[in-house]
Amino acid sequence: QSVLTQPPSASGTPGQRVTISCSGSSSNIGSNTVNWYQQLPGTAPKLLIYSNNQRPSGVPDRFSGSKSGTSASLAISGLQSEDEADYYCAAWDDSLNGNVVFGGGTKLTVL
Amino acid sequence: EVQLLESGGGLVQPGGSLRLSCAASGFTFSSYAMSWVRQAPGKGLEWVSAISGSGGSTYYADSVKGRFTISRDNSKNTLYLQMNSLRAEDTAVYYCAKAPVVKGYWYFDLWGRGTLVTVSS
Repeated sequence: QSVLTQPPSASGTPGQRVTISCSGSSSNIGSNTVNWYQQLPGTAPKLLIYSNNQRPSGVPDRFSGSKSGTSASLAISGLQSEDEADYYCAAWDDSLNGNVVFGGGTKLTVL
Repeated sequence: EVQLLESGGGLVQPGGSLRLSCAASGFTFSSYAMSWVRQAPGKGLEWVSAISGSGGSTYYADSVKGRFTISRDNSKNTLYLQMNSLRAEDTAVYYCAKAPVVKGYWYFDLWGRGTLVTVSS
């Protein structure tokens, strides 16, 4: 059971906008920043969003992140077939002495 | 080229030991914290351990505390994970990751391709 809760699956059609939620608590999302990672099939994870809503260089602006209270969301607009992947949220947890906690992951299917 | 390359994975019996290495290139290794993250087959990501840029501070997940030791050799641009008393539940792909700090918190902006550790008799 993951400390951060994500829906196991999400789906959308090309061009659509989809959102993936990530729910935590006051000791993690509520007091620290959230990061999002994308893992394409058979590959290593890749940083998608850091510090709640910052995109690393090279990440398309179709991807955006937000945070409110103890929850965070990843939004993908203009969905493309190559966006089909697993998405993980992560945050520092103050109750775990410097540990980073991940969500269980959301498998995004592009229909 | 900026990259991380893990090595040292393999098959080990329960109770055994293994040392993983991660060779870094293309960035100033000593300026960054580094971390290990693992992924059991068909499962999600689990943070394992982290170490500061100087090596003076180390951090561990409760699941590996007392069994795993993280270290680094900044002269060789290499990160290590010494894994002792291995259990079946340690079976996973182990990724090393570069961990810049923003506002006091890590995130992982560069990942290696991973190395598979299988603990089985």
